[in-house]
Amino acid sequence: QLQLQESGPGQLKPSETLSLFCTVSGGSISSSSYYWGWIRQPPGKGLEWIGSIYYTGGTYYNPSLKSRVTISVDTSKNQFSLRLSSVTAADTAVYYCAAIYGSGSWEGYYFDYWGQGTLVTVSS
Amino acid sequence: SYELTQPPSLSVSPGQTASITCSGDKLGDKYVCWYQQRPGQSPVLVICQDYKRPSGIRERFSGSNSGNTATLTISGTQAMDEADYYCQAWDSSTVVFGGGTKLTVL
Repeated sequence: QLQLQESGPGQLKPSETLSLFCTVSGGSISSSSYYWGWIRQPPGKGLEWIGSIYYTGGTYYNPSLKSRVTISVDTSKNQFSLRLSSVTAADTAVYYCAAIYGSGSWEGYYFDYWGQGTLVTVSS
Repeated sequence: SYELTQPPSLSVSPGQTASITCSGDKLGDKYVCWYQQRPGQSPVLVICQDYKRPSGIRERFSGSNSGNTATLTISGTQAMDEADYYCQAWDSSTVVFGGGTKLTVL
């Protein structure tokens, strides 16, 4: 059973860069069955997909965030990461990392395991 | 961009059937997943690929998808089912979530 744990600063000032890490345990991040994703949830609001990455480094981003987002993978550490630049108060949210399981076309993939989430607050 | 629309809230009495809808253009041509999120917790997958229940999910959770609407049905709703429910689909390689439905059991 996979376990995912987010880590990183919980407080940022406007214009700074958010950096979060997700450490995967209980399985290999190099598994061919999984993509790895970041999702966020502003307080009291719904889920927003940020982006996904495969262990080989291929990335897919939410078009609305693409200009500010970078997702990377470090297979040696069984870890993937999120960088979001030029943050504002609107980026205040709980950030989740998740394992996306499937095979074949995207249609068959689903978010199988989720981290506990980490609250990131952007405030001056 | 592709959009999924859910009713913001739904109330049901204990023991009754709750039907939560998710609407999108030609949604029936896509696979839909459903996630349950209890207050203060991470989302949990309850239905994937329209109707498949992951192991550990109770049989009273079921799903369907046709035309422009997918439906999550909870039979014999219990107090523990009170939560936010999100539908999710793929638009090519991008993920789309519905806005969520708050299910109240009272």
